[in-house]
Amino acid sequence: TQLLEQSPQFLSIQEGENLTVYCNSSSVFSSLQWYRQEPGEGPVLLVTVVTGGEVKKLKRLTFQFGDARKDSSLHITAAQPGDTGLYLCAGSNTGNQFYFGTGTSLTVIP
Amino acid sequence: DADVTQTPRNRITKTGKRIMLECSQTKGHDRMYWYRQDPGLGLRLIYYSFDVKDINKGEISDGYSVSRQAQAKFSLSLESAIPNQTALYFCATSDWGGANEQFFGPGTRLTVL
Repeated sequence: TQLLEQSPQFLSIQEGENLTVYCNSSSVFSSLQWYRQEPGEGPVLLVTVVTGGEVKKLKRLTFQFGDARKDSSLHITAAQPGDTGLYLCAGSNTGNQFYFGTGTSLTVIP
Repeated sequence: DADVTQTPRNRITKTGKRIMLECSQTKGHDRMYWYRQDPGLGLRLIYYSFDVKDINKGEISDGYSVSRQAQAKFSLSLESAIPNQTALYFCATSDWGGANEQFFGPGTRLTVL
């Protein structure tokens, strides 16, 4: 059972463009995380959001947790080639297990 | 040195063989996890352990077993490997409470022929 669906699955954009990645579920989560994974490496945590409606910013990345805590978005402003990677959302109800989304593969072309 | 290490990094084996993947961590975390990653499916949890006496099944535990030999070591076994177990396997650790950030190893690419 895939609890979290991400869209788009693949995204290829030019350097300097903006983009948004979505993470949707029919389930409510107490917390949601976003990770970035580069080829040959494990995922690395970018942010954790825990409050409905919460917005967090990390330099050019803006993360939002939906009011109902069922969805989240990641917005990147002025994308750079260094942003290239696989972006994964992960939701938890108990803090014991995290359910990962299907992933969005981003390529930023110089 | 990496905080979470996995061995081997790559493995090719045949159907029916027993395989063990090992994970070691120097972060001092109590919680350890095994995931598999398949294209288009994200990461799926196989087993997790909150201390050396605690083992829990995840979403897809069938065909796998684990052993928590010490706080720092958590191994994953495939008793009789099959081709649909071909995947990228990740070990992860986390600490109690807080953001529950998971720290991942570099992964093991397993191919079952």
